[in-house]
Amino acid sequence: EIVLTQSPATLSLSPGEGATLSCRASQSVINYLAWYQQKPGQAPRLLIYDASNRATGIPARFSGSGSGTDFTLTISSLEPEDFAVYYCQQRSHWPLTFGGGTKVEIK
Amino acid sequence: QVQLVESGGGLVKPGGSLRLSCAASGFIFTDYYMSWIRQAPGKGLEWVSYISISGGTIYYADSVMGRFTISRDNAKSSLYLQMNSLRAEDTAVYYCARGSWLATPTFDYWGQGTLVTVSS
Repeated sequence: EIVLTQSPATLSLSPGEGATLSCRASQSVINYLAWYQQKPGQAPRLLIYDASNRATGIPARFSGSGSGTDFTLTISSLEPEDFAVYYCQQRSHWPLTFGGGTKVEIK
Repeated sequence: QVQLVESGGGLVKPGGSLRLSCAASGFIFTDYYMSWIRQAPGKGLEWVSYISISGGTIYYADSVMGRFTISRDNAKSSLYLQMNSLRAEDTAVYYCARGSWLATPTFDYWGQGTLVTVSS
């Protein structure tokens, strides 16, 4: 199974600052990586698919990059509603796997 | 609008069974593959099972293989998860998720989840 390792576990930032989240795969997933956002008490929301494509309705401040084993989710300028937990997910191999998550909290 | 409503969760003893349901509306159910994904309290996401549109292709996580069975009733726009031989480590919120055709398989809509608690 492909293990996805997200770092850091927690990111403490202020609104307006930029955020850089990392997801590393134990073997190549090509570009078959998605990012989700989850707020407390809510279901996850798809942000990015195939490493760099924004899902429908996702603001342009969210961007994704990477290929192979190293991927990045960047939030250019944090809005109050962006403080949440972010997960990556690979679709390259079964079983599907998720990373452990990065919590973006208000500093 | 797309709606996925899970039901059937609750408290069950170890070794017991439970059947989860997911009622889909607001989209053509027969156009989408589906999955169950769970989240243990305070933990991350774990994919559980996948079913194709026809039900002819099914996958399971190793952790539930042989104990859980996914199925769908396209006439009722419903997804199911039969869970047998439940263990404490199956305690989680179980989400029903719709597959995205933009990147197969990823999940573009999720229900609000149903809590399954396995405890004596």
